Amino acid sequence: DADVTQTPRNRITKTGKRIMLECSQTKGHDRMYWYRQDPGLGLRLIYYSFDVKDINKGEISDGYSVSRQAQAKFSLSLESAIPNQTALYFCATSDVGQGETQYFGPGTRLLVL
Amino acid sequence: AQSVAQPEDQVNVAEGNPLTVKCTYSVSGNPYLFWYVQYPNRGLQFLLKYITGDNLVKGSYGFEAEFNKSQTSFHLKKPSALVSDSALYFCAVRVLDSNYQLIWGAGTKLIIKP
Repeated sequence: DADVTQTPRNRITKTGKRIMLECSQTKGHDRMYWYRQDPGLGLRLIYYSFDVKDINKGEISDGYSVSRQAQAKFSLSLESAIPNQTALYFCATSDVGQGETQYFGPGTRLLVL
Repeated sequence: AQSVAQPEDQVNVAEGNPLTVKCTYSVSGNPYLFWYVQYPNRGLQFLLKYITGDNLVKGSYGFEAEFNKSQTSFHLKKPSALVSDSALYFCAVRVLDSNYQLIWGAGTKLIIKP
């Protein structure tokens, strides 16, 4: 969905480095999510935010932190990257309403050496 | 524990034939059910959802899915497959008491052969 953008699209980093993945949306949605995708495991929720002042841990938050700078921006940080954080990371947004369909960004492919 | 299963890692179908991608779920409460598709090097795209009402839901690109409460299934179908349908398909479920989080299946790779 072009209304949800992620930067960078690809990133190679070294073990122990701090990195930040950024997500911006123009859909006007209040709710934002960070997922990681690993082959054969589907998507796993890292953090989610229902508004600027509401941030919640997901299924696999250890080793990650987030910042909701504005309604439209939600950043994911890896404070000290490790190789098993190599994955495809997706940001998603949803609006409050029936079903709350989530809309996804194009993903960031992260390789930790 | 609440879960979603996509029992087939891969489904192979000849172009023009009907296709089915299976999804079953185990959740408490009334579920909201979703299908998403992921094309290579792309994000996930929403295909369709079931909230309430008619058990047969129609979505994008000619796909449809049937909610079967007794079998706790939500299989994705298309009457005539196209090569361009080749992608990774994910089923997801939301339960109202889960703080609106989605429970995701592991994904099924659909390969349509010319």
